[in-house]
Amino acid sequence: QQQVKQSPQSLIVQKGGISIINCAYENTAFDYFPWYQQFPGKGPALLIAIRPDVSEKKEGRFTISFNKSAKQFSLHIMDSQPGDSATYFCAASRSGGGADGLTFGKGTHLIIQP
Amino acid sequence: EPEVTQTPSHQVTQMGQEVILRCVPISNHLYFYWYRQILGQKVEFLVSFYNNEISEKSEIFDDQFSVERPDGSNFTLKIRSTKLEDSAMYFCASSQLPGPYEQYFGPGTRLTVT
Repeated sequence: QQQVKQSPQSLIVQKGGISIINCAYENTAFDYFPWYQQFPGKGPALLIAIRPDVSEKKEGRFTISFNKSAKQFSLHIMDSQPGDSATYFCAASRSGGGADGLTFGKGTHLIIQP
Repeated sequence: EPEVTQTPSHQVTQMGQEVILRCVPISNHLYFYWYRQILGQKVEFLVSFYNNEISEKSEIFDDQFSVERPDGSNFTLKIRSTKLEDSAMYFCASSQLPGPYEQYFGPGTRLTVT
């Protein structure tokens, strides 16, 4: 019940295209959904996050769409650029009152072709 | 921009040896975390720490692991008797407020157990 399922495992998108990565969760107690970007040899970097009181959040070219009833959320990267090539992880956490750890998806390896 | 730092970047140790991984969280953050990432796999939560005590831990964080904040700036993860399967990237993270809230990751320590 703690799992976060992420797809696809890998994705190739042409420069200027839209990259879409999907995640699904099971634990209805989750109420915080961040996306992290990771470049080789680096730590995960927080990209954008959403809470379930909104259905969409946009920051620049990055948008999270959230469907509470379906327990799904997705990351859309508009006008994808070669510099966006990285591994993307979705994650989820709950408001437990303490320092709750993040449950991560397995990651999507995104390649943007010039 | 403040960032989480970790030392060493790479540690090689023999099976059965003790290792200590060090982290300096962002200075005004109060909540600290350790995660690990086995090569090619997802990031996994190990433990969270607040007010000098463990807040939450996963099933991975068994008696071989311990955490400590020995002074006002460092946060350490100790593995008492390393096993081959402990080989992984270990990431420290910190947040200003309790979960769910933005967690910022360090660059990681690659631990290789031979």
